[in-house]
Amino acid sequence: QKEVEQDPGPLSVPEGAIVSLNCTYSNSAFQYFMWYRQYSRKGPELLMYTYSSGNKEDGRFTAQVDKSSKYISLFIRDSQPSDSATYLCAMSYYNNNDMRFGAGTRLTVKP
Amino acid sequence: DAMVIQNPRYQVTQFGKPVTLSCSQTLNHNVMYWYQQKSSQAPKLLFHYYDKDFNNEADTPDNFQSRRPNTSFCFLDIRSPGLGDAAMYLCATSTGPGQSSYEQYFGPGTRLTVT
Repeated sequence: QKEVEQDPGPLSVPEGAIVSLNCTYSNSAFQYFMWYRQYSRKGPELLMYTYSSGNKEDGRFTAQVDKSSKYISLFIRDSQPSDSATYLCAMSYYNNNDMRFGAGTRLTVKP
Repeated sequence: DAMVIQNPRYQVTQFGKPVTLSCSQTLNHNVMYWYQQKSSQAPKLLFHYYDKDFNNEADTPDNFQSRRPNTSFCFLDIRSPGLGDAAMYLCATSTGPGQSSYEQYFGPGTRLTVT
């Protein structure tokens, strides 16, 4: 079983739709939960992070962590064509350099 | 702008011919990482340096080596590339454990082709 599971998609939605991206994980020791966005031919960039359980909102983006279910989500409201990218979930342990990524979900937002 | 720079962006090498990829950073971060990312797969951590301390992942093949001569530079050496080593290689940096270590700053990657 992989430490982090993420549906690779692809996912295609019309502009303005609400997008839901999800990951599950197996290691309950993870404490930090991140979402990275990767545009084509670029390196990943940090979009949002959450420490432990709970929700976090930043503009059109909301990250949710449910540690009891080992499940994290990223919601994108009012999706835009510029949101078209691959979204990678990532997790790390407290006070540790290592980070484990999901395989990424490729999202296309059509005008 | 502070950043992570990778050279070259595209590298073609022959089967078995050693190749070196380079990474430099202007962020003055303590930690530098090398990841391998194959198409539609998660970035896979190969190793990282915390300052001069080298940390190898258990499943990183011996064919992959790394050097960090100073804070700013880190190199990935592939001693005898095989066809299975064709991938995007990503360099990343972070400040260090307990200090926003969840945030890694990535370079644009080097796409390696093995012929």
